[in-house]
Amino acid sequence: DVKVTQSSRYLVKRTGEKVFLECVQDMDHENMFWYRQDPGLGLRLIYFSYDVKMKEKGDIPEGYSVSREKKERFSLILESASTNQTSMYLCASSFRVPYGYTFGSGTRLTVV
Amino acid sequence: AQSVTQLDSQVPVFEEAPVELRCNYSSSVSVYLFWYVQYPNQGLQLLLKYLSGSTLVESINGFEAEFNKSQTSFHLRKPSVHISDTAEYFCAVSHNAGNMLTFGGGTRLMVKP
Repeated sequence: DVKVTQSSRYLVKRTGEKVFLECVQDMDHENMFWYRQDPGLGLRLIYFSYDVKMKEKGDIPEGYSVSREKKERFSLILESASTNQTSMYLCASSFRVPYGYTFGSGTRLTVV
Repeated sequence: AQSVTQLDSQVPVFEEAPVELRCNYSSSVSVYLFWYVQYPNQGLQLLLKYLSGSTLVESINGFEAEFNKSQTSFHLRKPSVHISDTAEYFCAVSHNAGNMLTFGGGTRLMVKP
């Protein structure tokens, strides 16, 4: 089975800090995605990547950036964390859509 | 553009009762359809999917969903739920030539003893 590993399950950071959320997949998937999940708002796409060094903005990219230097790793960066970025962050990867996405376990980030 | 509507944000049901979670999508082209389940404090797991062929698809834990093209629906059903089915369920759709899934807002299934 494909595994998508997110480096932290729970994270607490201070306002203004630079925050890195790491995601690694082990099945040579081309596509990787970052979502945030908030009560009542469902899943919202932040950024995605179809290939190494390639990135595309999703629906809510403001305040975030990403890095994909290697195929298996897709990092989400909060340049200056704010309290409104407190959320559950989910990473996903896929080879092709018909096989669906494989999600990581999520990182619950709290910004204080 | 495609969109997915899950008509119920919460569905409370008693154990061993049947349940239906509704999903409607809008798309002008052929689609692939998915249901994902999210247990508390976990990521999403693929429950079942429709790609082509039989319009009725089943999961290993007793859920089934039926693709209805004329009604653009993909409702999820289970004839008898267990406490362990308590989770949030997400419907998703993709254009069959694309790489992206569009997710519905989710339905929280709450199974009561």
